[in-house]
Amino acid sequence: DQQVKQNSPSLSVQEGRISILNCDYTNSMFDYFLWYKKYPAEGPTFLISISSIKDKNEDGRFTVFLNKSAKHLSLHIVPSQPGDSAVYFCAASDRNNNDMRFGAGTRLTVKP
Amino acid sequence: GAGVSQSPSNKVTEKGKDVELRCDPISGHTALYWYRQSLGQGLEFLIYFQGNSAPDKSGLPSDRFSAERTGGSVSTLTIQRTQQEDSAVYLCASSLVVGPYNEQFFGPGTRLTVL
Repeated sequence: DQQVKQNSPSLSVQEGRISILNCDYTNSMFDYFLWYKKYPAEGPTFLISISSIKDKNEDGRFTVFLNKSAKHLSLHIVPSQPGDSAVYFCAASDRNNNDMRFGAGTRLTVKP
Repeated sequence: GAGVSQSPSNKVTEKGKDVELRCDPISGHTALYWYRQSLGQGLEFLIYFQGNSAPDKSGLPSDRFSAERTGGSVSTLTIQRTQQEDSAVYLCASSLVVGPYNEQFFGPGTRLTVL
């Protein structure tokens, strides 16, 4: 069961512009959301997270927005840089479970 | 290194053979997770360990899959009688404590190919 969905397998953006990666979830029990970034031949690394009590969390060029009513979150990267090119995974968890559910990932390519 | 390490990095095996994948978590991390990523799929949770507690095996896809964690540190994921659909990248992660709000640190993964 795909409880976390990233419907765009890929995204291409020009350097300096905004990248917007989207994620939808179906489980209303999810209350913590994370974005992981993965380079080829490496494991995913944590990027940014947001608790369900917030609707926005910002860290430098990265901002995550959460819309609980729509069960939707998005990651904004601005300005995008070529080094941001990677696969981005959305993940979600709830207080009753110790595992996370991941989306299928979106491959971001930032062109110089 | 201080990160999570996994071995081997690549494993090619024949259908029907058993394989063992190893994970060395970050020292001091009490929680250890196994995931797999099949082509075009997200990370699929398999199993997690927390300290000396019984592992949560709810994600294991079949009884051919098993895992153990010795001494609360190194973990081994064993796949018996491998099938072609077992081909995937197997990722291990650890976190300081178990729980949904704790950042997980991932290893580089083991790419398993079953011929």
